[in-house]
Amino acid sequence: ETGVTQTPRHLVMGMTNKKSLKCEQHLGHNAMYWYKQSAKKPLELMFVYSLEERVENNSVPSRFSPECPNSSHLFLHLHTLQPEDSALYLCASSHGRRDSVTQYFGPGTRLLVL
Amino acid sequence: ILNVEQSPQSLHVQEGDSTNFTCSFPSSNFYALHWYRWETAKSPEALFVMTLNGDEKKKGRISATLNTKEGYSYLYIKGSQPEDSATYLCAFSRGSNYKLTFGKGTLLTVNP
Repeated sequence: ETGVTQTPRHLVMGMTNKKSLKCEQHLGHNAMYWYKQSAKKPLELMFVYSLEERVENNSVPSRFSPECPNSSHLFLHLHTLQPEDSALYLCASSHGRRDSVTQYFGPGTRLLVL
Repeated sequence: ILNVEQSPQSLHVQEGDSTNFTCSFPSSNFYALHWYRWETAKSPEALFVMTLNGDEKKKGRISATLNTKEGYSYLYIKGSQPEDSATYLCAFSRGSNYKLTFGKGTLLTVNP
């Protein structure tokens, strides 16, 4: 247990559906991240929130919409996704802004878009 | 574009063997190098963060070294056990806040 939980763990959705991924951290951290891992590719950073403010948007299509209502919760809202968006979506959190600090990851949501 | 290369891509060893793998990264503007261990269906688990050239870190049977001038880090596992089977990821940063660039990982399988 890393102190970062994600729900759901698995999700199947059609291209016209709207769904949300949820991440919660119990570590008192002030930064949260969304990563995507596609098959045979490295982890790719999507979004970063620091103190509930988005500080990084890594050229992610607008069909992915993040939300950070407080420092413990992070959502990724999904709408009109494409089959190529099928991937593992990982959430992480850290304390502080410097990227020498450790990021703590959740177990991920495995997403399949039909 | 920052490239972080890990080799080998996968590795099979027998229980008790010692093994090592490599992470290569750009040597300019280095800030930090992270190693993570990722078991199937679990969360990636942080092993080490290294920031200084020549750094050596150790955690039980696992250790890592860092050469920032030539742009590589080695991860060593002494006396591999089946529970060491996992994907080992390295991630590099140049100091811009938050951004870690990950390699594809080395998948280690330890046969009993």
